[in-house]
Amino acid sequence: DTAVSQTPKYLVTQMGNDKSIKCEQNLGHDTMYWYKQDSKKFLKIMFSYNNKELIINETVPNRFSPKSPDKAHLNLHINSLELGDSAVYFCASSYLGNEQFFGPGTRLTVL
Amino acid sequence: QKEVEQNSGPLSVPEGAIASLNCTYSDRVSQSFFWYRQYSGKSPELIMSIYSNGDKEDGRFTAQLNKASQYVSLLIRDSQPSDSATYLCAVNEGTYKYIFGTGTRLKVLA
Repeated sequence: DTAVSQTPKYLVTQMGNDKSIKCEQNLGHDTMYWYKQDSKKFLKIMFSYNNKELIINETVPNRFSPKSPDKAHLNLHINSLELGDSAVYFCASSYLGNEQFFGPGTRLTVL
Repeated sequence: QKEVEQNSGPLSVPEGAIASLNCTYSDRVSQSFFWYRQYSGKSPELIMSIYSNGDKEDGRFTAQLNKASQYVSLLIRDSQPSDSATYLCAVNEGTYKYIFGTGTRLKVLA
């Protein structure tokens, strides 16, 4: 059973398009996160949600819209994609702020 | 800006040796510290968490925390080629935010 899953695994799209990434966790955790890992492998937090409430928003452009319909799901919608958005996006979950478990990642390529 | 610093490596050790990975952090009030392993093309995988000063052992891994000096380290005993990966240190900033270091690439030579 996959603990934290993400879809899609790969996303290739043109500049200016809008795309979404979905994340689901079956660990019963109450906190979910989105991270961006750039080409230099630096992993940077974007958003944290606790019990469906946005807790952390790390000065991410407002083209990025997270949504948490329930505690087990956290989606990320990106409008007007730019070349600099190309990266691997990881979803993670934890109970409160304890150990985080990561999904397999979504590799986004913007052409 | 809170920082977590790691030597990017690569750190090369022979098979069977002890690999020592270090991490320093800037936020004096940090309370939670984590080590993750990331294989190329894969997601970070939790190895250990440590919250109190001192050593914490789990199998071949030992995490060491010194809050006064603001460093946390990871020792890998009897290193195996399968341990070759990037090791990420993470430190909390508040309850729901973690700062990751840039990672140390470890190469275990057979």
